[in-house]
Amino acid sequence: NAGVMQNPRHLVRRRGQEARLRCSPVKGHSHVYWYRQLPEEGLKFMVYLQKENIIDESGMPKERFSAEFPKEGPSILRIQQVVRGDSAAYFCASSPQNGPGGIDEQYFGPGTRLTVT
Amino acid sequence: EDQVTQSPEALRLQEGESSSLNCSYTVSGLRGLFWYRQDPGKGPEFLFTLYSAGEEKEKERLKATLTKKESFLHITAPKPEDSATYLCAAYAGNNRKLIWGLGTSLAVNP
Repeated sequence: NAGVMQNPRHLVRRRGQEARLRCSPVKGHSHVYWYRQLPEEGLKFMVYLQKENIIDESGMPKERFSAEFPKEGPSILRIQQVVRGDSAAYFCASSPQNGPGGIDEQYFGPGTRLTVT
Repeated sequence: EDQVTQSPEALRLQEGESSSLNCSYTVSGLRGLFWYRQDPGKGPEFLFTLYSAGEEKEKERLKATLTKKESFLHITAPKPEDSATYLCAAYAGNNRKLIWGLGTSLAVNP
């Protein structure tokens, strides 16, 4: 009965490299969310995806960041040409979206801590 | 603008000393209010969902309540293992995403 899985747990990249963060949702969940968390800023929504569709990417920078949730396999958050300001904890959450009015709790993974040197 | 504010930012209690955490929200058409617990270095752990004013939910030493303007997380006779950051988030009618507060960092001393 696995929960949300994220890998890697820790990722170190040099400025200018690419970072790929992976998220496997709870089995049976078809909705995935990515968040970024900094110590003094709290959780910030980045993107909401369903299988093969981006539903809301309003929280994701338009440059260098992209996300996908393919029909098969994990959801990927990709950051190209990383800069020091990208250092943060990135969390993935999933939900089944079948609660009252389509509102469901989101279940979070353990996060990926990205450090850009 | 939709907003969620939590208070206090930090709270230190003695074991057994009951207290309440506050989550005030200003959102358009609240559809759900969520409480989570987050331990250092881990992802948020779901605690409760409240859907309408007057609703209450309980789990062990925790009880969450909801009014039209705010939610409270009541902690009765806390233990050191209740030490964590408690986050609340609101799901508004016009958005498909949760709006998060900054959390209350709770420390319970033995």
